[in-house]
Amino acid sequence: EADIYQTPRYLVIGTGKKITLECSQTMGHDKMYWYQQDPGMELHLIHYSYGVNSTEKGDLSSESTVSRIRTEHFPLTLESARPSHTSQYLCASSDRGFQETQYFGPGTRLLVL
Amino acid sequence: AQTVTQSQPEMSVQEAETVTLSCTYDTSENNYYLFWYKQPPSRQMILVIRQEAYKQQNATENRFSVNFQKAAKSFSLKISDSQLGDTAMYFCAFNANAGGTSYGKLTFGQGTILTVHP
Repeated sequence: EADIYQTPRYLVIGTGKKITLECSQTMGHDKMYWYQQDPGMELHLIHYSYGVNSTEKGDLSSESTVSRIRTEHFPLTLESARPSHTSQYLCASSDRGFQETQYFGPGTRLLVL
Repeated sequence: AQTVTQSQPEMSVQEAETVTLSCTYDTSENNYYLFWYKQPPSRQMILVIRQEAYKQQNATENRFSVNFQKAAKSFSLKISDSQLGDTAMYFCAFNANAGGTSYGKLTFGQGTILTVHP
């Protein structure tokens, strides 16, 4: 399996709380991605990064924000969680060039009450 | 914009038999990559197989092979000698170097849930 990690794996939290989902990879990949996936549904790209200090919004609008201060680390933050944020969040990374395979982390399942 | 369509929400197959999952895509790009990813229940998404659009030869990876029809924009996955561990959701994905940027964004299909029965 790929060396990409996400914590926590599961999170139950109340409305209005600030949360940060962690993602780290040890492969030295330049590009990293965050996807949102509802159970049994397709993946939607919400953020991506080309490298340090580079972040872009994806195809699906999201109230979350990301940062990329270190190559290996790409955290996602929700300033004020809402029930509509309940979903699974998948982090992925890939090497330089568009053809490189994306490697996925195990995901974080978020439930906002 | 690129789109990927998987028209089979669910499929089932008996152990040791062969099954084919369908995928079609739409793009105006000429240079792109196609992928099949596997997402087992509550487990990590992993790459099954990858096809480069400029290669005419269909990719194979052990029991997994693709039928890539570029003109028809079709990219099906054949699983031979199905095993219980093949039970998973399978996603077809497309990656093109659109607009000169090389950020490698993947466009996913809706997924096909495959169940292998003993």
